[in-house]
Amino acid sequence: EVQLVESGGGLVQPGGSLRLSCAASGFTFSSYWMSWVRQAPGKGLEWVANIKQDGSEKYYVDSVKGRFTISRDNAKNSLYLQMNSLRAEDTAVYYCARAGSSWYVGWFDPWGQGTLVTVSS
Amino acid sequence: NFMLTQPHSVSESPGKTVTISCTRSSGSIASNYVQWYQQRPGSAPTTVIYEDNQRPSGVPDRFSGSIDSSSNSASLTISGLKTEDEADYYCQSYDSSNWVFGGGTKLTVL
Repeated sequence: EVQLVESGGGLVQPGGSLRLSCAASGFTFSSYWMSWVRQAPGKGLEWVANIKQDGSEKYYVDSVKGRFTISRDNAKNSLYLQMNSLRAEDTAVYYCARAGSSWYVGWFDPWGQGTLVTVSS
Repeated sequence: NFMLTQPHSVSESPGKTVTISCTRSSGSIASNYVQWYQQRPGSAPTTVIYEDNQRPSGVPDRFSGSIDSSSNSASLTISGLKTEDEADYYCQSYDSSNWVFGGGTKLTVL
């Protein structure tokens, strides 16, 4: 069974940092693009970042460029999101999602259960 | 960057058919695949349609997807509505380096 389990969320002050992790199991992690998608409380979904199978390509939504870094460790079947200079508008549930296994990202499936990040003083 | 526009909400009775639209603001809807995700309250999203009109295994054939180049939009159609279909539905597409979700449509089955 494919499983994605996020961790690392919590309460952080504006300007602070947080590192999210996503532990993957049940599939060949190194064969898939991986992604982070977030959802602010009561709002819709927003794509955050994608990373290619070997980490050689990374893409970010404009609002997090220069502040967030997506990375992966294929030996540990893990995906990460380093979040710096956090703002109140970054408050959201952050989902880890598996994407495609080919040259293109494809669709997001499945998703983890999400981890809540709250940026507040 | 482009946007995907969905109606905020739709409602229909059990057993009926409902269609949710998703209009792309710029660029051709046909140039990049469209996906549809279902999100029930308190749960993570799941895929109901990928690559415009493909259904993942386990998704009933009551769910179908299509694109219309003339209106530059995609549609999700759910027939034989069941109360369990009540959820938020999001369309999603992409261009060269940007992945975009629609704002979501709340489906009420009453």
